[in-house]
Amino acid sequence: DVKVTQSSRYLVKRTGEKVFLECVQDMDHENMFWYRQDPGLGLRLIYFSYDVKMKEKGDIPEGYSVSREKKERFSLILESASTNQTSMYLCASSHFARRGGTEAFFGQGTRLTVV
Amino acid sequence: GEDVEQSLFLSVREGDSSVINCTYTDSSSTYLYWYKQEPGAGLQLLTYIFSNMDMKQDQRLTVLLNKKDKHLSLRIADTQTGDSAIYFCAEGKYNNNDMRFGAGTRLTVKP
Repeated sequence: DVKVTQSSRYLVKRTGEKVFLECVQDMDHENMFWYRQDPGLGLRLIYFSYDVKMKEKGDIPEGYSVSREKKERFSLILESASTNQTSMYLCASSHFARRGGTEAFFGQGTRLTVV
Repeated sequence: GEDVEQSLFLSVREGDSSVINCTYTDSSSTYLYWYKQEPGAGLQLLTYIFSNMDMKQDQRLTVLLNKKDKHLSLRIADTQTGDSAIYFCAEGKYNNNDMRFGAGTRLTVKP
C-alpha cells in the first residue's frame, strides 16, 4: 500500500514562530504536493515539487516555502506563522505521468492552529 | 477566480441516487477526477475520466462529462450511509501533473 505520512496530526503554534510540516512517502513518487483545506474553499495548492530540489508555486504560496532535499520527503515551512494560516494542511504524492492522469495519494492531514 | 466549482452540500435518502455536479473553466484540462474524503481522513481517488470520453461507469459510480459545457457529474446509485463524505472534483492537464480542486460537496445520506 502506498503510504503518505505527515509528521503530526495536530499542531498548535504561536504567532511569529517558524513552523515545519513534514511529509514522507514510501512509493518512490516523483511528484509531491502541499495543499491547504479550508471550509468552503476546498483544497488550494500551495507548492508542488516534481523532483528533488525542484519546486513550483501553486495558487497561494505567499507566507510559505518548501524544501525537497530527498525524493521521499517534502517539507512545508511557515517562516513566521500568522493566525490566517490556521488550517488543515494536506500532503500528497504521485508518479510523474507524461500524459497526465496520475493518481495522487494523500496523507491524513495536519491541523495547524496558530494562536 | 476559481477553476473548478461545485455546490457545497447535497442531502439524499438511503437507497436514492446522488448526483454531484462540477464545472470547470479550463478547456485544456485533459483529466477530470473525483476524490472522496471521509471524516478525519485524507482524500482517496474514486475515479477519473479522460477528456475524450463522455461516460465512465464503475459499479455504483457513473461519471458523465459534457466537454462542450465543461460540466462533470458523479452519480452514485443506491446511495448508502457509508457514502456520506466530501466529494472533490479536480482537473489535471496533459504533461502537467499538478491538479486543481473544487471546494468539495458534502454528501449527507439520511436513513
